[in-house]
Amino acid sequence: QVQLVQSGAEVKKPGASVKVSCKASGDTFTSYGISWVRQAPGQGLEWMGWITVYNGDTNYAQKLQGRVTMTTDTSTSTAYMELRSLRSDDTAVYFCARDVIAPLRWDPWGQGTLVTVSS
Amino acid sequence: DIQMTQSPSSLSASVGDRVTITCRASQSISTYLNWYQQTPGKAPKLLIYAASSLQSGVPSRFSGSGSGTDFTLTISRLQPEDFATYYCQQSYSSPFTFGPGTKVDIK
Repeated sequence: QVQLVQSGAEVKKPGASVKVSCKASGDTFTSYGISWVRQAPGQGLEWMGWITVYNGDTNYAQKLQGRVTMTTDTSTSTAYMELRSLRSDDTAVYFCARDVIAPLRWDPWGQGTLVTVSS
Repeated sequence: DIQMTQSPSSLSASVGDRVTITCRASQSISTYLNWYQQTPGKAPKLLIYAASSLQSGVPSRFSGSGSGTDFTLTISRLQPEDFATYYCQQSYSSPFTFGPGTKVDIK
């Protein structure tokens, strides 16, 4: 079964960039997509976007357009999410999750990566 | 964007209780509705997909129903491990928005 393991916590200054990784194992990496979801402290879940691994197609939430880039490295079965021009309200736990289609749902999820933006 | 609401925002219940959580979409989403459970410090876990399909490995005390704009998640007999926050999510159209969550705690 698929397992997703994410990189460790990050502390960044406002205006900087962060790149979070999500390494997959247990299934053919190119057969599915990866979504990213974030959760600010004490808040709900926000879907950020997804990437279709086999062709690299992406679909980003409009509010993050221009600041987020999602990529994959099929040689290492790893997905990446880069967020630029960080602000304090980007402080959140960032999750990756496998896209399962027909019908669309997200399972499993990575363990989460805390990104703290602070001066 | 499709807005998702949930009610109640929180509830207190006892082990063995029947619990029902409601989720409403701002427009019809057919049965493109998923339910997740999240415990503190953990990632969300898929419980129900396509409004009423039980995810493999999830106990049968969890069930979902609904279509169009109104959906429910029911826990037939609450167990200690079910105290958590529950989120609905629409998978009808991007961005795939979540409800604000319903926290179930111990009475």
